[in-house]
Amino acid sequence: EAGVAQSPRYKIIEKRQSVAFWCNPISGHATLYWYQQILGQGPKLLIQFQNNGVVDDSQLPKDRFSAERLKGVDSTLKIQPAKLEDSAVYLCASSLWTGNTEAFFGQGTRLTVV
Amino acid sequence: KQEVTQIPAALSVPEGENLVLNCSFTDSAIYNLQWFRQDPGKGLTSLLLIQSSQREQTSGRLNASLDKSSGRSTLYIAASQPGDSATYLCAVETGGGNKLTFGTGTQLKVEL
Repeated sequence: EAGVAQSPRYKIIEKRQSVAFWCNPISGHATLYWYQQILGQGPKLLIQFQNNGVVDDSQLPKDRFSAERLKGVDSTLKIQPAKLEDSAVYLCASSLWTGNTEAFFGQGTRLTVV
Repeated sequence: KQEVTQIPAALSVPEGENLVLNCSFTDSAIYNLQWFRQDPGKGLTSLLLIQSSQREQTSGRLNASLDKSSGRSTLYIAASQPGDSATYLCAVETGGGNKLTFGTGTQLKVEL
């Protein structure tokens, strides 16, 4: 079974620029998550989708971050404009459904804002 | 608000040693607890998932235990190998919705 796919793997941008990340979850997984992992910390949930609806975006900085999941499959996470403190690894994960199920993570996108 | 703590932050052991990683959480009303492995520059690999009704799970040389009432979990690694070197993260699901709260991880180095 194919895992969670993310692209790009690495991205370097200047502050105030825009950036977008893409995620393709495991086939058949209804729930998709975006996490932010700052160096030396554990991942922090940014947003959770159930199919194409948002379940939780309470920790998403909505003034600069946005995410969508069209057709309940692929998802994109955008940052506009980026700040230095956005430098982190952005991890996408998916699970069968929202409940007591195992989450599977992608390789992540390492973002460096200079 | 759920908080997850992992001790120690870093650990270095000689090959072949058995070791224990600790995870504690403040809110015992969890749905499940997961242990993950993260290699440098990589994503997270799920190692073990313990449901709230379970006491332990085993996979190969790994054994994870859960004491929900005391808010603790341990990951036991038997006969450690250099290939076990990685950061180990524990995460708990609280409040349903499969949202995970992570600890900051234990960075393990197994030396030859």
